Amino acid sequence: GQQVMQIPQYQHVQEGEDFTTYCNSSTTLSNIQWYKQRPGGHPVFLIQLVKSGEVKKQKRLTFQFGEAKKNSSLHITATQTTDVGTYFCAVPSYNTDKLIFGTGTRLQVFP
Amino acid sequence: DAEITQSPRHKITETGRQVTLACHQTWNHNNMFWYRQDLGHGLRLIHYSYGVHDTNKGEVSDGYSVSRSNTEDLPLTLESAASSQTSVYFCASAPGRASGYTFGSGTRLTVV
Repeated sequence: GQQVMQIPQYQHVQEGEDFTTYCNSSTTLSNIQWYKQRPGGHPVFLIQLVKSGEVKKQKRLTFQFGEAKKNSSLHITATQTTDVGTYFCAVPSYNTDKLIFGTGTRLQVFP
Repeated sequence: DAEITQSPRHKITETGRQVTLACHQTWNHNNMFWYRQDLGHGLRLIHYSYGVHDTNKGEVSDGYSVSRSNTEDLPLTLESAASSQTSVYFCASAPGRASGYTFGSGTRLTVV
C-alpha cells in the first residue's frame, strides 16, 4: 500500500538553529499538505504544495515540493521556542483524495 | 466566526458501553472526517463524509460508525467500547477534496 515516510522522528535544537523535516512518498503525489500540532493541541493547516519544484515561504518557514512530486521538505530558519510541536505532512491516498498523514517530526527547541 | 467544536473534551467510559462523540462545524464544509491519534501511529482515518447522507470507511473503521443527517454534524459512535479504543479523537472538516483541513480541539477518550 501507499507509504508516507517522515524523517526525522524527533529533533532537538538550540534556539536559533535551523531545522528541516522531510516527507517521502512511494508514489507520485498530486499535492502535499503540511500541518503543525502544538503539544496538547490539534493539527493546524500550514500550507499546500501542488506544482513540481514549488517553493513557498511563510516568514521563517520554507516549504518545498520535489521535482518528481514524491517528496517534500519543511525548513525552519533560526528556530524559536514558539516553533515547538510536531510537524506532519499529509498526502492524498492513491486513487482517492483522502489524506494520509505522515508519522510526524517532533521538534523540541531549547532556549 | 466559523468554528469546529468537539464534545466532550474528555470522556471516561467502561468496556462494552456505547459512546458517541460529537463534532459540529459552522464552516458549511461538505467534507468531514474523524481521525484517532495514538503514539507511534500518528493520525489514522476512521470514517469520513463528503456530504449529507454520505459516509465512508477509513483505514481503522472497525467498531466505529458515523451518520450525516445535516451539513454541520458528524457524530462518531463506538458501538461497544474496547480498551484498544482509548485514544485522542479529532474531527476535521474541509470545503473541498483538495483543501486543507480544519481540525477540532479533540476528545480524549479513556476506556476502562
